[in-house]
Amino acid sequence: QVQLVQSGAEVKKPGASVRVSCKASGYTFTSYYIYWVRQAPGQGLECMGLINPSGGHTSYAQKFRGRVTMTTDTSTTTVYMELSSLRSEDTAVYYCARKAVTTSYAFDIWGPGTMLTVSS
Amino acid sequence: EIVLTQSPGTLSLSPGERATLSCRASQSVNSNYLAWYQQKPGQAPRLLIYGASSRATGVADRFSGSGSGTDFTLTISRLEPEDFAVYYCQQYGNSPSTFGGGTKVEIK
Repeated sequence: QVQLVQSGAEVKKPGASVRVSCKASGYTFTSYYIYWVRQAPGQGLECMGLINPSGGHTSYAQKFRGRVTMTTDTSTTTVYMELSSLRSEDTAVYYCARKAVTTSYAFDIWGPGTMLTVSS
Repeated sequence: EIVLTQSPGTLSLSPGERATLSCRASQSVNSNYLAWYQQKPGQAPRLLIYGASSRATGVADRFSGSGSGTDFTLTISRLEPEDFAVYYCQQYGNSPSTFGGGTKVEIK
């Protein structure tokens, strides 16, 4: 079935980097953008940016430019999100979600989320 | 970026009642690319409505979306016990995509 499977929870110290993976299955990988959305404890949803697995084009929200890098490996249908210079405010659940490239359908499939804790 | 403001912050209703949730954008949403999601504790968001008024696959017909430009509404015609959750609107027609702050629908 169509699914996005994410890597497990992470605990990092301030200043470190983290890489979260999102493996897609059950659909044509290159027909959907992958977005990354995060949610701090008890807070709302925040979109970090997207990657187009077909070609690797990325677009990052201004807030994260310079700290986030999204990459894709089409051979394993996996997308990666790396966030650097971590601070306590980056503690959140990080979700990947897909959106069809050519239709108006929104984020229809989400990963289960990866909890990142940043603490000294 | 487009700022989405949802109201009310919390809606206290009883099962069987009608729920009306509002989402206002700081500027016109491109192509009415406005979506609504439902989120329950410990779960990822679930897509309910896309393109302002189209129901996603498998979504019950008691959920409906309306609006255009800068003002959008999600209506739940008769609340079922499983509908008590947090609802977010999202615009995905302008980059970056942005979400509203959410409306919690709680049992009165």
